[in-house]
Amino acid sequence: GQNIDQPTEMTATEGAIVQINCTYQTSGFNGLFWYQQHAGEAPTFLSYNVLDGLEEKGRFSSFLSRSKGYSYLLLKELQMKDSASYLCAGRGASKIIFGSGTRLSIRP
Amino acid sequence: EPEVTQTPSHQVTQMGQEVILRCVPISNHLYFYWYRQILGQKVEFLVSFYNNEISEKSEIFDDQFSVERPDGSNFTLKIRSTKLEDSAMYFCASGLAGGYNEQFFGPGTRLTVL
Repeated sequence: GQNIDQPTEMTATEGAIVQINCTYQTSGFNGLFWYQQHAGEAPTFLSYNVLDGLEEKGRFSSFLSRSKGYSYLLLKELQMKDSASYLCAGRGASKIIFGSGTRLSIRP
Repeated sequence: EPEVTQTPSHQVTQMGQEVILRCVPISNHLYFYWYRQILGQKVEFLVSFYNNEISEKSEIFDDQFSVERPDGSNFTLKIRSTKLEDSAMYFCASGLAGGYNEQFFGPGTRLTVL
């Protein structure tokens, strides 16, 4: 089957680091996305990993291990505006499958 | 900064009616997508479109759905005979490169089927 699993909710402190994990099973694999979605808004693209390893983009980094079917999104120097849902999505052979999203709450 | 736009922002329709949701992708983008998100649920891929034809589609995208790029700027999603379960937020996205690299989402159209 095809499935994306990620934690439902996480809480972290302003200024800290948080890692949001995602495991996936897709029929064929052609890449993994991370999106940020604030409540009531459209998703915003964060990253797309095709190859194993870590990709860094400012305060956000994304890691992929294809052999383990595993990815994570790392957010550093957390700010209050980072409170949002983070969506993991795997691109299979013929479609994209989204996870249910991880709702991240940042406390002062 | 260029952005994807969608109209209308909210569409209310009766069950069985046809609706057309409109999107204007970023002007130099070549790849276009429709997604939907039922309230409180996960985002679902519907269809991707490139070079005036569908590249990929999900099982949700059945014969009731169609997409079109009628001119050089608009990208539309038509639902022929709406059902109650079609009520959702519909997002259009576009990208410059293929392979689902960076995609830019529009603000969405909230479709309510009564």
